[in-house]
Formats: sequence, C-alpha cells, structure tokens
Amino acid sequence: SYELTQPPSVSVSPGQTASITCSGNKLGDKYAFWYQQKPGQSPFLVIYQNTKRPSGIPERFSGSNSGNTVTLTISGTQAMDEADYYCQAWDSSTVVFGGGTQLTVL
Amino acid sequence: QVQLQESGPGLVKPSETLSLTCTVSGGSISTYYWSWIRQPPGKGLDWIGYFYYSGSTNYNPSLKSRVTISVDTSKNQFSLRLSSVTAADTAVYYCARGQLAQGWFDPWGQGTLVTVSS
Repeated sequence: SYELTQPPSVSVSPGQTASITCSGNKLGDKYAFWYQQKPGQSPFLVIYQNTKRPSGIPERFSGSNSGNTVTLTISGTQAMDEADYYCQAWDSSTVVFGGGTQLTVL
Repeated sequence: QVQLQESGPGLVKPSETLSLTCTVSGGSISTYYWSWIRQPPGKGLDWIGYFYYSGSTNYNPSLKSRVTISVDTSKNQFSLRLSSVTAADTAVYYCARGQLAQGWFDPWGQGTLVTVSS
C-alpha cells in the first residue's frame, strides 16, 4: 500500500523558518494537502493542491512539490504555529495520510 | 459557513456495531464528498471512506468489509456504521467535507471519541 513519510518531529526557534517534509513514491505526480492540528482540536487545512493557501491562512505558510517530496514551509514561525502537521494525498482512489510531524517552537 | 457536528454513543461493546451521525449546517449536503476519518488516541489520521451525493461510495480497503456510509438529504445528515468492532477501533471519529473527487477535506467536525470496551 502507498505510504507517506514525515519526520516525527521538527524544532524551530521563533521567527525562523520551519520546513516539514512528506515523501512518497511519485508524490510529485500527485496533489498534496497539509493540515494543522493543535491539541484537542480537529485538523485544519493550511495548504491544498501542493501550493495553494485557503482564505484566512497566513502568508507565512507555503507549500512546494518536487520529485518524491512535498514540503510545508512556515516562514517567521510563531508560537501559535506549534502543532502537529499532516500531509495527505490520494493513491488509486484511496486517501493516504502521513504519520504526522510535531512542530515545536522553542 | 458550513459546519459539521458528529453525534453518537461514546461507548460500544466489542463485536457490536458503531453508529455515528454527522449533521451539516450552513449548507446543503448535496454535492461534495461526505467523509469519515478517525484518529486513535495519540496516533495519526486514518481515512474511513466517503459518500458522494450521487449515491457512490468509496471505502478504505482495510475497512471496506465492515463499513457503510450513507446520507439522509432530508435531514442534511450523513452516517457511519462500522460493524464487528474491536478495541483497535477506539478512536476520535471526525466527519469532514471532501472537495473534488480526489481533493482535500474542509471543514472538519470537532470529532467524537468512541471507546470500544465491554
């Protein structure tokens, strides 16, 4: 079955740039989506179709897709960005989520 | 804007059927892909499946034999039934609106914890 691989954790200092990767076979040929989930809350869409930001999502959130890896980049990371982040893609009509990355801002 | 709210029993006995309902407010349940996604405690997200308003369904192959998702347009609700549950089915269950045939999920409900235990 298709798998998406994310690093379990990423740490960043406030104001710096955080990059969270998601890797999968031929992921570059697919659309990827990113969700933010804070403790006790439901997931929230932050990037869709690799690079698009939903209305209301700050410009510091951006996405890219190259080869077998998609990347969520948070520029000027703020304390409020501390959360779990999940990538998602489709493979043969099945939804696949990455295992999630815990972003720590310290 | 569209809001989703899950409801149903928080405790289900092993081997029984888990049943949840998602009520959609602020928009019609026609069109879109109405989906269920779950998250075991402390773990990642697991897609269960969706119902498309035309009547078609698509389920996670790992759950397909036990899952039914249906829609009640008169009540603007859609439902999940998961049969023969075990402790491994203990999770927070989310309903979500799927955009496009192979798109993203937005918005999501707040989630409801279902525990499988005798």
